[in-house]
Amino acid sequence: KQEVTQIPAALSVPEGENLVLNCSFTDSAIYNLQWFRQDPGKGLTSLLLIQSSQREQTSGRLNASLDKSSGRSTLYIAASQPGDSATYLCAVSGGNNDMRFGAGTRLTVKP
Amino acid sequence: NAGVMQNPRHLVRRRGQEARLRCSPMKGHSHVYWYRQLPEEGLKFMVYLQKENIIDESGMPKERFSAEFPKEGPSILRIQQVVRGDSAAYFCASSHYRGNTEAFFGQGTRLTVV
Repeated sequence: KQEVTQIPAALSVPEGENLVLNCSFTDSAIYNLQWFRQDPGKGLTSLLLIQSSQREQTSGRLNASLDKSSGRSTLYIAASQPGDSATYLCAVSGGNNDMRFGAGTRLTVKP
Repeated sequence: NAGVMQNPRHLVRRRGQEARLRCSPMKGHSHVYWYRQLPEEGLKFMVYLQKENIIDESGMPKERFSAEFPKEGPSILRIQQVVRGDSAAYFCASSHYRGNTEAFFGQGTRLTVV
């Protein structure tokens, strides 16, 4: 059974800092890994999708890496802004594309 | 091209009533997934459906919960005889293909049982 863990559970940083969010999973037989952002009381917004054959994906100030063999992914956010404050969720997909989620990292970027 | 549409956005039910949650996938998507999110927790997989078929319902409670995705119309998550513990946000996602594709989420339905 796939277990997904995200560390830290919460993170508070001053504006402008670079930061790293971590995601680990127990079963390396995944099809893809997706990072989402969730604002309070809102739905999920897809940030980055990494296929199992890929090592990383980049979008603007975001960079996500995947090390499938060790069961790890990181989301790197450069030059953080107050608007980045949200909960960040990672999800891994198996053969049915049924995603298993971590509990999320709640990020606060202080002005 | 509208995204995944869920309705209602908010639903209040008294204990013992039925709750029906609707999800219209993105145009062209035939795979639908339902998730439940309790306060301060991540999303928990409930069920995966294709048109007219339930593919994986391993995350669905054995009683009171059912899901369908008919040939025509939205996917429906139905909760019978709701209890306070059913209060949660229910999210639906859709994708084009099974397997290695991106899934898109709706805004969720927030169910409150009073």
